[in-house]
Order: sequence, then structure tokens, then C-alpha cells
Amino acid sequence: GAGVSQSPRYKVTKRGQDVALRCDPISGHVSLYWYRQALGQGPEFLTYFNYEAQQDKSGLPNDRFSAERPEGSISTLTIQRTEQRDSAMYRCASSPQFREDRVRKPGELFFGEGSRLTVL
Amino acid sequence: AQSVAQPEDQVNVAEGNPLTVKCTYSVSGNPYLFWYVQYPNRGLQFLLKYITGDNLVKGSYGFEAEFNKSQTSFHLKKPSALVSDSALYFCAVREGNAGNMLTFGGGTRLMVKP
Repeated sequence: GAGVSQSPRYKVTKRGQDVALRCDPISGHVSLYWYRQALGQGPEFLTYFNYEAQQDKSGLPNDRFSAERPEGSISTLTIQRTEQRDSAMYRCASSPQFREDRVRKPGELFFGEGSRLTVL
Repeated sequence: AQSVAQPEDQVNVAEGNPLTVKCTYSVSGNPYLFWYVQYPNRGLQFLLKYITGDNLVKGSYGFEAEFNKSQTSFHLKKPSALVSDSALYFCAVREGNAGNMLTFGGGTRLMVKP
């Protein structure tokens, strides 16, 4: 598609349930990022992928959070046994790469419209 | 560790006046700097970036930003504000040589009054 697509746009769930958030990046973008944004704050890094490889998951809050990108395109962020503190906007972004000094580096991030998660 | 500070929670400016939204950063190596804008109920939209070269960077919607290495700043500017510029603005930094993670500031709300 033309932009980054996220689904569902809104998810309300009960505490203890598992949720899966999906991200479809811009075609051809190598890098895919997951961020979490609380109301009135800046996005907070969770994890990112180059192709299908998870390069950095240092921002995942705990082991209830996991992400995958098995074919190097669509990604799923899964939160198990949700808690009320997990309520936030979850944003996905994809990024093309550019060459600098013969090294491929990620360019600017293109964000989807986010998935707002509410845990009751 | 890299970080970004946006010292103003909100900036108020009259339509037609120049605007500045401040950003300072901290990074161990060469910085890659970005500005994003967020309109209500929308995703973040890329405005402009500094990677290397000219310190004055021009971006979308008439915005520009100036990279100042000595002051570790990357302030966003526009010569003449529009009411439609009212939104939430985020500055972000990545360490250029090795980093891939983009770190965002807390955001500044810009209010342009007619």
C-alpha cells in the first residue's frame, strides 16, 4: 500500500487477555520499528527489525511483550496477559535505507496511524 | 545513551509571526536529527532531517531547522506561522555511525492563533 497500515485501530480488552497488533509496512522498506506512545508524551522505542531479523528488543518492557516479522514484511506485536498499564497507542514505522560511506543505514521513519489499546 | 530535550511544553504564536520550537540533543557520535509533526488523531508525519552537510535544513510546509553542533541544538523554525500549523511537534535523534534506534523528545504543542 501507499503507507504503513496498522490494525486494529482500536482494541479494548480485559485484563489477562492476549492481544496481537499487526503492522503492514511500506513495500520495499527494509526496517520496521515498534514504538509505544502514552498520551501527551513522545514515542518510546520497543523493538525493530531489518528484514525478518529482530535487531534490537531492548525497549520491550518485559517478557509478556514479543514481536515477529517472519517473512520480512508484515509484523505482529503480541502482548500476553495484558495489564492496565499496557494501555497506550502502539505505533509502527518503516524505513528505507540509504548508503553512506558504502554502509547501508536507515533513513527517516514513516509511521502508521497507530493501534490504541485499552485494557480494562 | 542518546536523548532529546524539548524544553517547552507549549508555544503560542500569532498567525503571520515567526515561530521557533526548541530542541537540544545528546548523543555520543555524529547525530542524525529529525522533526516530526502529529495532528489530532493522526500518525506522526516526517517534516525534515539533518544527516550531514548544510546546517540549515528545509522541509515540508515551509519549515526549516538549523543544526548547531556547539550548542547541540536543532531548533525548528518557520518565518510566518499559519493557524493550520497548530499541532504537536517532536524532535528525534539517532547516533549516526552505529545507532539505529530513533529517540524522541517529549513533544511541544504549537498553538497558532488568528
